[in-house]
Amino acid sequence: DTGVSQDPRHKITKRGQNVTFRCDPISEHNRLYWYRQTLGQGPEFLTYFQNEAQLEKSRLLSDRFSAERPKGSFSTLEIQRTEQGDSAMYLCASSRTGGLYNEQFFGPGTRLTVL
Amino acid sequence: GQQLNQSPQSMFIQEGEDVSMNCTSSSIFNTWLWYKQDPGEGPVLLIALYKAGELTSNGRLTAQFGITRKDSFLNISASIPSDVGIYFCAGQLPAGTALIFGKGTTLSVSS
Repeated sequence: DTGVSQDPRHKITKRGQNVTFRCDPISEHNRLYWYRQTLGQGPEFLTYFQNEAQLEKSRLLSDRFSAERPKGSFSTLEIQRTEQGDSAMYLCASSRTGGLYNEQFFGPGTRLTVL
Repeated sequence: GQQLNQSPQSMFIQEGEDVSMNCTSSSIFNTWLWYKQDPGEGPVLLIALYKAGELTSNGRLTAQFGITRKDSFLNISASIPSDVGIYFCAGQLPAGTALIFGKGTTLSVSS
């Protein structure tokens, strides 16, 4: 049983470039979440999918951010025209759908540094 | 965004000591979760709580869901060096799916 995986683990880019991250959830989980974590803070919610449908977006998700989950399996998070303020750890989590026991399990994260 | 009040911010203890940390919120939560995060890694789930008053253990860890549904605590007994890390509480609102996190408690254990 493999956990949530994320790729790449680290990304360094120049301001203004586009970046794309990938997340592969736990296989039987149909909910997938993206969070962002900056130094000294807890993770903050960005968006989530149930299967291929994007059901909720945080106001933190600016127009430069887009997430997809085309086949209800893996997901990608793209940031266009990166800014230095985008530097953070981007975390993906997955869970089962609803019900009482729907704990979210996190991947190792992608550390983004914008120069 | 909304965050939980987690305390203490940091703790420095001797190996073998017990540790207690807590989270409070102005909102009622349906679920409380406790995670541990090592540097450069994602949070790892330690304990999940689903009912007010619930007390749950996982080895040397014990956590409780407050009766008011606005708070939770985590105890670690007989700490060991590998307990070092950042501990986060997270709550889930009744109508929500997103987790709301505290700012974390950084635990240091000296042997």
